Amino acid sequence: NAGVMQNPRHLVRRRGQEARLRCSPMKGHSHVYWYRQLPEEGLKFMVYLQKENIIDESGMPKERFSAEFPKEGPSILRIQQVVRGDSAAYFCASSPIRDGEQYFGPGTRLTVT
Amino acid sequence: KQEVTQIPAALSVPEGENLVLNCSFTDSAIYNLQWFRQDPGKGLTSLLLIQSSQREQTSGRLNASLDKSSGRSTLYIAASQPGDSATYLCAVRPGWETSGSRLTFGEGTQLTVNP
Repeated sequence: NAGVMQNPRHLVRRRGQEARLRCSPMKGHSHVYWYRQLPEEGLKFMVYLQKENIIDESGMPKERFSAEFPKEGPSILRIQQVVRGDSAAYFCASSPIRDGEQYFGPGTRLTVT
Repeated sequence: KQEVTQIPAALSVPEGENLVLNCSFTDSAIYNLQWFRQDPGKGLTSLLLIQSSQREQTSGRLNASLDKSSGRSTLYIAASQPGDSATYLCAVRPGWETSGSRLTFGEGTQLTVNP
């Protein structure tokens, strides 16, 4: 059973471009969580999704950020018009049930130049 | 608002020492607590998960305890090895139904075990 997969592992974008980060949960997991780790800071919760539904987006910045988890395919975290402050490691986690143990992917390291 | 604090921020020990990492949280209404390991440039590996009704969990040389009423958890590592060098993160999940399943993380303890 493959673990949580994230791609790309490293992403470089210029200011103003769009960034798309993908997360494939573990097989059988229908709950996905996104976290962000800014340089020299701890991980912060962004959004929690189930298939086709956003359950909790209280940690998402109000503008430029969106997330989806379609019926088929990976979960996508989308950042529009990136700025330097978006440079961070973005981690995805999945779990089989709502309050289950969360299993983390290797992360996507976004660098905005 | 839940806050999680980990002490110390960094720790350097010689190989073979037993050590304790501390985690405290401000809101005792938690569902569970997890300890993770993070290697540089890598993702998180779950080490131990303690449910709110449990007092401790053990896995190999690792033992985690939970005192929910005082808002504290400790991670005990026995006979430390250089391969244990990593950042150790503590995370809590709130117990309220409306909060979803988010984890609140501490900022970690960076452990170096010297050969």
